[in-house]
Amino acid sequence: EVQLVQSGAEVKKPGESLKISCKGSGYSFTGYWIGWVRQMPGKGLEWMGIIYPGDSDTRYSPSFQGQVTISADKSISTAYLQWSSLKASDTGMYYCARLRGSSLTTWYFDLWGRGTLVTVSS
Amino acid sequence: QSVLTQPPSVSAAPGQKVTISCSGSSSNIGNNYVSWYQQLPGTAPKLLIYDNNKRPSGIPDRFSGSKSGTSATLDITGLQTGDEADYYCGTWDSSLSAGVFGGGTKLTVL
Repeated sequence: EVQLVQSGAEVKKPGESLKISCKGSGYSFTGYWIGWVRQMPGKGLEWMGIIYPGDSDTRYSPSFQGQVTISADKSISTAYLQWSSLKASDTGMYYCARLRGSSLTTWYFDLWGRGTLVTVSS
Repeated sequence: QSVLTQPPSVSAAPGQKVTISCSGSSSNIGNNYVSWYQQLPGTAPKLLIYDNNKRPSGIPDRFSGSKSGTSATLDITGLQTGDEADYYCGTWDSSLSAGVFGGGTKLTVL
């Protein structure tokens, strides 16, 4: 089955670090970009950034550049999203998704993970 | 504040048609393909339309997309109560060199 399986919910304190994961299966993981999308409580979708697991080429939305780090380990078909110092405003649902399109400018996400809920509270 | 503008909400009766708009600019919709996503309550988004007007397999033809200039539209005909969801448009923004989503539209089937 073609799927993206995300790691479980996390509860963290401000200032702590965190790394969440997204494991792809049923397709060639290194052949497609993987994106991360944030959804804050009661809010809309926000495009955070993408990574090409084949060579770890990474692009960030300006809003998230420097705030998070996207990485991948192609040997285990897994992409990651990490924070070095969490803030309360990082609370939200984080989705990974497989990017399609003939080029990045024609992107769309055709396969989504179920999301990882991150709660940051003191 | 998203660079793509969608109406916060739309509503219509079962069986009717609804149109959801997505307005942008020449740096995004005007020169790039648009995709649309449906997010049912408590679930992950799902791809409805890509490349402005193409449907993935399994998406009924009640859902259709179009684009004209710097705006895109999602039409849903034969509304069903199961269509109640949030709908998002997405595209590339050349000024940001990143993807962007619209703010989302909540569809209520009365």
